Amino acid sequence: NAGVMQNPRHLVRRRGQEARLRCSPMKGHSHVYWYRQLPEEGLKFMVYLQKENIIDESGMPKERFSAEFPKEGPSILRIQQVVRGDSAAYFCASSPRWTGYGNQPQHFGDGTRLSIL
Amino acid sequence: EDQVTQSPEALRLQEGESSSLNCSYTVSGLRGLFWYRQDPGKGPEFLFTLYSAGEEKEKERLKATLTKKESFLHITAPKPEDSATYLCAVQAGGSGSRLTFGEGTQLTVNP
Repeated sequence: NAGVMQNPRHLVRRRGQEARLRCSPMKGHSHVYWYRQLPEEGLKFMVYLQKENIIDESGMPKERFSAEFPKEGPSILRIQQVVRGDSAAYFCASSPRWTGYGNQPQHFGDGTRLSIL
Repeated sequence: EDQVTQSPEALRLQEGESSSLNCSYTVSGLRGLFWYRQDPGKGPEFLFTLYSAGEEKEKERLKATLTKKESFLHITAPKPEDSATYLCAVQAGGSGSRLTFGEGTQLTVNP
């Protein structure tokens, strides 16, 4: 399967713990995007990264959330000290190049469902 | 702020009963409008990109159209396997690469 791979598919954490979500983009894609889907809401943009660079993090909550896309390995979305309101589906998308001209669709993985006890 | 509104929220059709889904948008400088399909427990699956008013794209029983204010996804003679949530998203000139999504239309096609 050459699609966007996300793991784990389901993650359960207790309040105050840390959550790490991983995303491996499609082969040949060097641009990664993270979106969050809260219950009964639409997908909301969080952050856009290229290898070793955060390009746009305007959708990221200011505290407890961070993202990285190292030179080697998957992109990581990290949530520290999780709270109940962090329960959501987190989706990763990738593209082979910058999509700002609307000429490249973003391809999505199947998401990580995060549940906070 | 970019805004996308989809209607109806839910649509129930009989197999073979054609219909349309609506996506109204307000953006500053549309770069692209995207349609995705999302099945339960899955991620959005790309269907179409539309760039300018008057443009149309087709794929099997689906046809997407675009005006300056809205897009329609026409479904002709749907089958039960077309049941899914259909998402509309826009990319605007002032928003970089981010996609702004509507909340989707949940389509159910009964046999």
